[in-house]
Amino acid sequence: EPEVTQTPSHQVTQMGQEVILRCVPISNHLYFYWYRQILGQKVEFLVSFYNNEISEKSEIFDDQFSVERPDGSNFTLKIRSTKLEDSAMYFCASHYWPLEGVTDTQYFGPGTRLTVL
Amino acid sequence: GQQLNQSPQSMFIQEGEDVSMNCTSSSIFNTWLWYKQDPGEGPVLLIALYKAGELTSNGRLTAQFGITRKDSFLNISASIPSDVGIYFCAGFGNQFYFGTGTSLTVIP
Repeated sequence: EPEVTQTPSHQVTQMGQEVILRCVPISNHLYFYWYRQILGQKVEFLVSFYNNEISEKSEIFDDQFSVERPDGSNFTLKIRSTKLEDSAMYFCASHYWPLEGVTDTQYFGPGTRLTVL
Repeated sequence: GQQLNQSPQSMFIQEGEDVSMNCTSSSIFNTWLWYKQDPGEGPVLLIALYKAGELTSNGRLTAQFGITRKDSFLNISASIPSDVGIYFCAGFGNQFYFGTGTSLTVIP
């Protein structure tokens, strides 16, 4: 079964530092997402990415955040200057077709736990 | 951002019982999704609904896309211990909005 992978599984950083979270989506997928989940809370959408550009982003995804697909396999989320409130699980997800109107599924990675001290 | 109200917040049921949870929104969505999340893991998509009024089953799970496009429900029949987890609804318009989750505990 194909799977989305994420590295690292846990990242600890000092406030103000830059972090890069890495994801390898499933190889033939075209739509990529980042979500975050603060401990004990709901999953929150951050950004969607298609055709090498951001297609949608939430109000959480401010100028501190950026995404990149530097090669054909990796999809990264960069937080430029981390804040304490950025501590959360960050999930990457991908799927092939547009979800709307087509039967397909969205696959989530196992997540990266980011701890900002 | 948009709020999805999911209820109940938590459920404690006996093994074998049926479960029902729902999700409502003030906004219309084109797609409703239901996920299950086990502790320490990413969400897993259970059912996706694409048309208003659509009723879809996946094994013991049944979900419906409300005809107003502002709500959805998920039923689990004959619950088993491995159904334990947190269930999230999500609506998709131009982006995903997740519900607050329903924590399900199944007592053997």
